[in-house]
Amino acid sequence: NAGVTQTPKFQVLKTGQSMTLQCAQDMNHNSMYWYRQDPGMGLRLIYYSASEGTTDKGEVPNGYNVSRLNKREFSLRLESAAPSQTSVYFCASSEARADTQYFGPGTRLTVL
Amino acid sequence: DAKTTQPPSMDCAEGRAANLPCNHSTISGNEYVYWYRQIHSQGPQYIIHGLKNNETNEMASLIITEDRKSSTLILPHATLRDTAVYYCIVKDPGTYKYIFGTGTRLKVLA
Repeated sequence: NAGVTQTPKFQVLKTGQSMTLQCAQDMNHNSMYWYRQDPGMGLRLIYYSASEGTTDKGEVPNGYNVSRLNKREFSLRLESAAPSQTSVYFCASSEARADTQYFGPGTRLTVL
Repeated sequence: DAKTTQPPSMDCAEGRAANLPCNHSTISGNEYVYWYRQIHSQGPQYIIHGLKNNETNEMASLIITEDRKSSTLILPHATLRDTAVYYCIVKDPGTYKYIFGTGTRLKVLA
């Protein structure tokens, strides 16, 4: 039981490049989330998926898109990366919205 | 904005109890208090949560004041591995969103 896994662990992009961050959970959870954490700050919600087939914006969705591929997988895409998107990205999942969220190990992204 | 206020940092001697305070004076009646911690930039780890009664699990105890305007997380016998940033979060069970503040950086000293 791996919990929440994220790939890649590290990534360096040039401004304007695109990439997709992958997240998978093996806990059969319905809800999944993407957060970003900037240095010295708390986490901020980018997008979430309440259940398979649905996605909604969080606090800071601009510059990102998401796909809930199936119940297990939730990906985050940066279409045209900007230096302001340099951050650590965390994926999380929960059984339902009222439940405890479980976090992955994070992806450290640097945009030059 | 976070609905909680926490001290930015605290120290605790190894083996002693660590008491981490949190103020949430604007908490609503149906909002829960959650505690997470983040060790060394890893993903946040769930610790405990409660509504109005005190709660205890294998990791910690949560004491919530009767008026629910503040709470204290207690790590009964802190170890060096408990050094982390601790986040107190107030969450409405009807929403998906945790609002993380900047937390308390706890340093456990040998």
